[in-house]
Amino acid sequence: GENVEQHPSTLSVQEGDSAVIKCTYSDSASNYFPWYKQELGKRPQLIIDIRSNVGEKKDQRIAVTLNKTAKHFSLHITETQPEDSAVYFCAARANRDDKIIFGKGTRLHILP
Amino acid sequence: DTEVTQTPKHLVMGMTNKKSLKCEQHMGHRAMYWYKQKAKKPPELMFVYSYEKLSINESVPSRFSPECPNSSLLNLHLHALQPEDSALYLCASSQDSFGGGETQYFGPGTRLLVL
Repeated sequence: GENVEQHPSTLSVQEGDSAVIKCTYSDSASNYFPWYKQELGKRPQLIIDIRSNVGEKKDQRIAVTLNKTAKHFSLHITETQPEDSAVYFCAARANRDDKIIFGKGTRLHILP
Repeated sequence: DTEVTQTPKHLVMGMTNKKSLKCEQHMGHRAMYWYKQKAKKPPELMFVYSYEKLSINESVPSRFSPECPNSSLLNLHLHALQPEDSALYLCASSQDSFGGGETQYFGPGTRLLVL
């Protein structure tokens, strides 16, 4: 089955700098890769997703890149702000499955 | 309505109690999910309903019993739970479970404490 590895587990960046979170997946049949942000005590919220027919997707300060050959995908947050502090989960899903597999999460701290 | 709602927000129950968690969505989604999330861990899939039929049961103990009365509602019946079942229980829904409709939207969760 699918296995998703996520790094780093904790990341601290200065406000205004960029943050990068990386994930790898094992199942070459995976074709959908969402990213969720979860603030303390809140629900996971989808912030961006990418499908395997696309190499990069951007939404304002957030971008995701996908390298199908290497089976890895990354989340990039530019010009970080205090409200970006949260836990971020990457995930992967294969077309044959009804389920997505989550990475273990990255706790992002934005330092003033 | 673009939200998934869950009730109750918090629940405290004893090990001999029977309770139910409820989830509702009015987005016309045909797939619904139950997840369990422990602190500092990712959501862990429990059950998937697709077109009101149970399609995935991730070997969940029988003290958890899901029910999908119609396409908008999902219940999780709880009976004889253990303290280690204390967690945040999240419901999610997606348009369907394949081919472009797989984006999952989460409800706010029910925080369950088993004493």
